[in-house]
Amino acid sequence: GDSVTQMEGPVTLSEEAFLTINCTYTATGYPSLFWYVQYPGEGLQLLLKATKADDKGSNKGFEATYRKETTSFHLEKGSVQVSDSAVYFCALTKSGNTPLVFGKGTRLSVIA
Amino acid sequence: GAVVSQHPSRVICKSGTSVKIECRSLDFQATTMFWYRQFPKQSLMLMATSNEGSKATYEQGVEKDKFLINHASLTLSTLTVTSAHPEDSSFYICSARDQHSVPEAFFGQGTRLTVV
Repeated sequence: GDSVTQMEGPVTLSEEAFLTINCTYTATGYPSLFWYVQYPGEGLQLLLKATKADDKGSNKGFEATYRKETTSFHLEKGSVQVSDSAVYFCALTKSGNTPLVFGKGTRLSVIA
Repeated sequence: GAVVSQHPSRVICKSGTSVKIECRSLDFQATTMFWYRQFPKQSLMLMATSNEGSKATYEQGVEKDKFLINHASLTLSTLTVTSAHPEDSSFYICSARDQHSVPEAFFGQGTRLTVV
C-alpha cells in the first residue's frame, strides 16, 4: 500500500539555521503531497501542498518540491525562527474519499 | 483555508460514562470526515472514515461499538466514546474533506479526553 517515510527527529536547530526535513513516499499513480504542522496541544494545519510532479509548494518561508523521479517532497526553510518549533508531518493522498497517509512526524525545536 | 471546528477541546469524564465529540465544517461541505487518535509524541492513527449519510468504515482493531461515529449531515460528524475507560484517554482529532474540491484535508483543533 501507499506509505510515507520522513526523517526521525527530534531536530534541534539554532535560530536562523537552515532546515531540511526529508520525506519520501511510495504510491501508485499520481498522489498529491502535503506538509502539515502541529503546534503543541492543537490539531494539524496545512503548511503547503503540491499536486503534480515538479510543483513547488511554499508558505511562510517553507518550500517543498514534488520530485517524482526520486519520490520525494523534502521540506526546507532558509532561516528558522523559535516560533517554527512544532511537529511536521508529510502526507499524501490519491483522491476522492481516501484518507491521507501520514509519515510519523518530525519534531523540530528551534532555540534562540 | 477552510475551517473545521471541533468541540470540546478538553473533557474529563468518569469511567463508564460516554462522551460525545463534535466536528463541524464551517465553510464547506464535508463529504468525507476522518477521525484520528494521537498518543503522546506519536503520529496520528486513523480510526475511521465516514461519508455523509452512510455507515463509517472502521480501521482494523478499532471497536465500532465503542467508538460510535455519525455523519448525518454535510457539515457535522460526531464521535461518541461509549463506556469510557482510562485507556481511552487520548487526543482525538477530526479531519474533513470536500472530495469534489481541493485534495487536502482540514483538521479540527483536537479534543483531549481524560477518563478518570
